Amino acid sequence: GQQVMQIPQYQHVQEGEDFTTYCNSSTTLSNIQWYKQRPGGHPVFLIQLVKSGEVKKQKRLTFQFGEAKKNSSLHITATQTTDVGTYFCAVPRGQLTFGSGTQLTVLP
Amino acid sequence: EAGVAQSPRYKIIEKRQSVAFWCNPISGHATLYWYQQILGQGPKLLIQFQNNGVVDDSQLPKDRFSAERLKGVDSTLKIQPAKLEDSAVYLCASRTGTVGDYGYTFGSGTRLTVV
Repeated sequence: GQQVMQIPQYQHVQEGEDFTTYCNSSTTLSNIQWYKQRPGGHPVFLIQLVKSGEVKKQKRLTFQFGEAKKNSSLHITATQTTDVGTYFCAVPRGQLTFGSGTQLTVLP
Repeated sequence: EAGVAQSPRYKIIEKRQSVAFWCNPISGHATLYWYQQILGQGPKLLIQFQNNGVVDDSQLPKDRFSAERLKGVDSTLKIQPAKLEDSAVYLCASRTGTVGDYGYTFGSGTRLTVV
């Protein structure tokens, strides 16, 4: 089946530093979604990418979809303590299949 | 717009007991999902409903798990009998299912502990 690998599993950054998480698929994706889950919370939809090479921005968050539509990244510029949580990519595999997530810790 | 409502928030049961979770999706959302999220992992789909019909239950352990959405609105997920490995957060999600509606809206989940 379609597998999606997400790296890194954990990331600790100092507040103000940048952060990037990557999602890689062995097969071409029709689209990819990103979610954020705060500690003790539930996943919250952030964005969907559809087009090859697509780049979308939400304030300090930049989402990219690879040219081959096999990988995607989420980059946060100048992290803040409010960015703490686990970031998941999710891909359509029949139904929506979530990656294992990257847990971000921001040290004040 | 009200969110996806789930209850209870927490449940502790002994193994071999039964438990039920309830979900009320956002009004008008035809598609409803139940996900299981084990600590440290991403959510894993258990079952998808479109209105009151099952679309995908291929990953539902049917020997112990069951789910229904009789009137196409709220839904219940039941586990009988529970095993220790069923300890997880059970998330309900919904979306309209129409073209252009991408993201899933999740409820706060039910945290199940089986002891």
